[in-house]
Amino acid sequence: DQQVKQNSPSLSVQEGRISILNCDYTNSMFDYFLWYKKYPAEGPTFLISISSIKDKNEDGRFTVFLNKSAKHLSLHIVPSQPGDSAVYFCAASLIYYNQGGKLIFGQGTELSVKP
Amino acid sequence: EAQVTQNPRYLITVTGKKLTVTCSQNMNHEYMSWYRQDPGLGLRQIYYSMNVEVTDKGDVPEGYKVSRKEKRNFPLILESPSPNQTSLYFCASSLRTGGNEQYFGPGTRLTVT
Repeated sequence: DQQVKQNSPSLSVQEGRISILNCDYTNSMFDYFLWYKKYPAEGPTFLISISSIKDKNEDGRFTVFLNKSAKHLSLHIVPSQPGDSAVYFCAASLIYYNQGGKLIFGQGTELSVKP
Repeated sequence: EAQVTQNPRYLITVTGKKLTVTCSQNMNHEYMSWYRQDPGLGLRQIYYSMNVEVTDKGDVPEGYKVSRKEKRNFPLILESPSPNQTSLYFCASSLRTGGNEQYFGPGTRLTVT
């Protein structure tokens, strides 16, 4: 059962426009949500995160929105640049007391920003 | 430079031949983890370790073993690899568990024939 879902395998956007990547989750116990970016032949790199007690976090061109009632989060990139072309993974964090924790990843969305 | 290293980066092997993928981090992180990435499935956690000598199963542990004898190293062992373990493997580390960002290695592409 996929607890974190990214339903769009790919997204194509024109340079300078907004990119919106979406992610849905099922477990209301998730306490942190993170976005990772992955270029080919490299490992994922952390992009931005949001605590479950907040509804928005902004870092430069990147903003993450969390809608807990809908169990939905989104990543906005404004303005989009060709260098943003990559696979974006949404991840949710689940901390078990005294048992460590885990990150549960979505399937990824491949963003292509066209000049 | 803070980093997570994995070796080898590419490996082709045959069914049943034991192999080890090494992982090392130089950030003094307590938490380390192994993931596999497969098309349409994203990244799935295989095993994780909260600290030295403390390891636990992730979501897809079958067919894998790990050990954490030193803080910096977290090798992944496939005792008897099978073709369904053909995948892209990533090691990751973080200062603590949960919401802390994890730093990923460059990946190991494994093919089992």
